[in-house]
Amino acid sequence: DSGVTQTPKHLITATGQRVTLRCSPRSGDLSVYWYQQSLDQGLQFLIQYYNGEERAKGNILERFSAQQFPDLHSELNLSSLELGDSALYFCASSSEKQPSGNTIYFGEGSWLTVV
Amino acid sequence: GDSVTQMEGPVTLSEEAFLTINCTYTATGYPSLFWYVQYPGEGLQLLLKATKADDKGSNKGFEATYRKETTSFHLEKGSVQVSDSAVYFCALENQAGTALIFGKGTTLSVSS
Repeated sequence: DSGVTQTPKHLITATGQRVTLRCSPRSGDLSVYWYQQSLDQGLQFLIQYYNGEERAKGNILERFSAQQFPDLHSELNLSSLELGDSALYFCASSSEKQPSGNTIYFGEGSWLTVV
Repeated sequence: GDSVTQMEGPVTLSEEAFLTINCTYTATGYPSLFWYVQYPGEGLQLLLKATKADDKGSNKGFEATYRKETTSFHLEKGSVQVSDSAVYFCALENQAGTALIFGKGTTLSVSS
């Protein structure tokens, strides 16, 4: 158990809908990362938050947004869903700003299926 | 931009065989390098890392050496076990120091 909790574990929704994925980082970790894992693209970095503020953006679509709340949990919002958004979405956390600063711990992921 | 290339899988080995999974990278400077492992139904776990050239990361019998001359970070293990069956990801820290860039992953299957 990494200590990173993601909900829901599985989600099936229709095209055009909106979903919210939730992440609780390890206790004390200030940094939260979101990644998308798909068969064709592999693991893609989406966005990083540190202590409530957006720190870096990766390949995140405009239809997607995220935030980190004062209690440090984070949510990834996916809207106007398309079939191609079906993927495993990982949240990860770390105590440091930089990935090399300390170990990044990954949650078990949220499986999103868009039908 | 920064990128990681690792050997295509799946890699199928018998128990106690020697394992090598190749990983090369493209980056500006000398980024920190990582190997992560993903067991079925689980998230990624850090296996080992190296933060500068010629460093050797090691953990659970796995080793990888940061080779700046060949921009490589190949993963090795002398004697694999069935329990090592998993997907292995090579990664580097991007130049901005904001994220890990992952390779596509190599599936290892070990049979007894």
